[in-house]
Amino acid sequence: GQQLNQSPQSMFIQEGEDVSMNCTSSSIFNTWLWYKQDPGEGPVLLIALYKAGELTSNGRLTAQFGITRKDSFLNISASIPSDVGIYFCAGQLWDDKIIFGKGTRLHILP
Amino acid sequence: NAGVTQTPKFQVLKTGQSMTLQCAQDMNHNSMYWYRQDPGMGLRLIYYSASEGTTDKGEVPNGYNVSRLNKREFSLRLESAAPSQTSVYFCASSEGRNTGELFFGEGSRLTVL
Repeated sequence: GQQLNQSPQSMFIQEGEDVSMNCTSSSIFNTWLWYKQDPGEGPVLLIALYKAGELTSNGRLTAQFGITRKDSFLNISASIPSDVGIYFCAGQLWDDKIIFGKGTRLHILP
Repeated sequence: NAGVTQTPKFQVLKTGQSMTLQCAQDMNHNSMYWYRQDPGMGLRLIYYSASEGTTDKGEVPNGYNVSRLNKREFSLRLESAAPSQTSVYFCASSEGRNTGELFFGEGSRLTVL
């Protein structure tokens, strides 16, 4: 079955640092998605990528859809305390099935 | 603006009991999903419904059944609960047609003793 391999599992960074995380899969996805989950809430969409090779920014966030449609990365620049949370990559197949990676838990050190 | 509403928010069951998690969305979305979230495992897809009248298995469907009652409602049933089904369950909806954006409910925390 389809699987998304997300890394790293967790990150400890200083406020102001840049962050990079990525996802890979052996399957080809139609759409690639990045979500963030705050404690006690459901995930919220950060960025959606629809075209192979697409590079998209949303404020301090930048994400790219791999040219083979099998991978993606998410970068966060100049991290701030509210960036703390769990970041998930997700892939959508042509039949609207959406599966998630295991997440990257971001911690910001005081 | 209710969005996606799940009930109940909390439930404790004994092994072997049955229960149904209810989910309703008011955004006229075509697709609806049920996920479970366990520590370190991310969100795993149980079942989804790409349109009214259709349902499909996800990654972990065993032990669950679903009903897409109408366009608004998508319920998840545990016929004989097991401790391994202790989890937080999320319902989500999407416009569908590969738009990708899921709107999640607040989650239902289920404990099976």
